[in-house]
Amino acid sequence: AQKITQTQPGMFVQEKEAVTLDCTYDTSDPSYGLFWYKQPSSGEMIFLIYQGSYDQQNATEGRYSLNFQKARKSANLVISASQLGDSAMYFCAMREGPGGSNYKLTFGKGTLLTVNP
Amino acid sequence: GAVVSQHPSRVICKSGTSVKIECRSLDFQATTMFWYRQFPKQSLMLMATSNEGSKATYEQGVEKDKFLINHASLTLSTLTVTSAHPEDSSFYICSASSGTGYYGYTFGSGTRLTVV
Repeated sequence: AQKITQTQPGMFVQEKEAVTLDCTYDTSDPSYGLFWYKQPSSGEMIFLIYQGSYDQQNATEGRYSLNFQKARKSANLVISASQLGDSAMYFCAMREGPGGSNYKLTFGKGTLLTVNP
Repeated sequence: GAVVSQHPSRVICKSGTSVKIECRSLDFQATTMFWYRQFPKQSLMLMATSNEGSKATYEQGVEKDKFLINHASLTLSTLTVTSAHPEDSSFYICSASSGTGYYGYTFGSGTRLTVV
């Protein structure tokens, strides 16, 4: 079974509107972390937001928020007030194991977001 | 913030030659380095994990003799693609970790390898 599932290969959104990118995960480890990265066409990986499995509140970082539904094992990314520069590939990733970044990340297949003017 | 410098950004080499890709952590000690490979419009696939001073741990299906990883210091890790062939053409990207912090993964900018 895939550990990270992103079911939307591509998404379109109008500039200034909000968009939700879906991510579901599969793990039996009680300690894990969920990440979202943005990858523009240049290839760099840009960290957006992090949610720990024990975090009580949904993570927010500026225009990015993570809708964490633990029972459903989903960690959707919400981008508010989309901008043209948000057009990129977005990856959801998971770290299994307790805190500490020497555990590997497993990535989903990604969602290509296009923001239309 | 933490920075990882990855070089070269692009390289074209002839089939049968070897290519070395470097990742340097500029302002922190990278105790763990992850090397990924990414085909066009696909996800990042982990190739191997290396800890400073230790042999790399390769993922299943990755040829350790073809993809040599060295992590001899806390600031430098290298990936050498030996006897490269056109099917090795891909985007390679490293991610360095200091081992502290819940989300302390810093990615390099990637290397686009083309084997002709």
